[in-house]
Amino acid sequence: RKEVEQDPGPFNVPEGATVAFNCTYSNSASQSFFWYRQDCRKEPKLLMSVYSSGNEDGRFTAQLNRASQYISLLIRDSKLSDSATYLCAAPSWGNQGGKLIFGQGTELSVKP
Amino acid sequence: DADVTQTPRNRITKTGKRIMLECSQTKGHDRMYWYRQDPGLGLRLIYYSFDVKDINKGEISDGYSVSRQAQAKFSLSLESAIPNQTALYFCATSEAGGPNEQFFGPGTRLTVL
Repeated sequence: RKEVEQDPGPFNVPEGATVAFNCTYSNSASQSFFWYRQDCRKEPKLLMSVYSSGNEDGRFTAQLNRASQYISLLIRDSKLSDSATYLCAAPSWGNQGGKLIFGQGTELSVKP
Repeated sequence: DADVTQTPRNRITKTGKRIMLECSQTKGHDRMYWYRQDPGLGLRLIYYSFDVKDINKGEISDGYSVSRQAQAKFSLSLESAIPNQTALYFCATSEAGGPNEQFFGPGTRLTVL
């Protein structure tokens, strides 16, 4: 099993839809997680950090489920500009001072 | 100005050539990382450095070497480039401790013919 796994999609949704992505991780000792957004082969940029139970920022909500070892990203009222690839990241086994493992990314396409 | 810069931004080279990719940062972070990204495979860690005297192999270090010349500079070398090293390469930085958010450079698109 990969340390961090995501459904690669693509997720094709209409504007205004609610969409959710999951990301599973294998390091049960992980305490913090990250969601990044990546546009069209540009650099990943932090969307949200996830500590303890979760985080919310406007239309974006991240949740952590420790029992099942996954984090989720919920996007409400999708906009065309939300079209991107969403990467999750979790600490690697051994947690060598903060090394992160990234999932392969989930592609989102929001259509008019 | 960008906090993390990479040069060159694009490079086309031939098999067997030595290539150096450079990364500089003005964030004052101790930790620096080199990743490569391939379609469907996500970001894979090549090398990382937690301070100037510290160098560690990542999951795919074969065929690569690095040098941490200063806190602000971390370069990646391909000693003898091969076509399957064609990829998008990202440098990243983070604060000590953590795990902390990583800040990425704009990337270098490398093509090996």
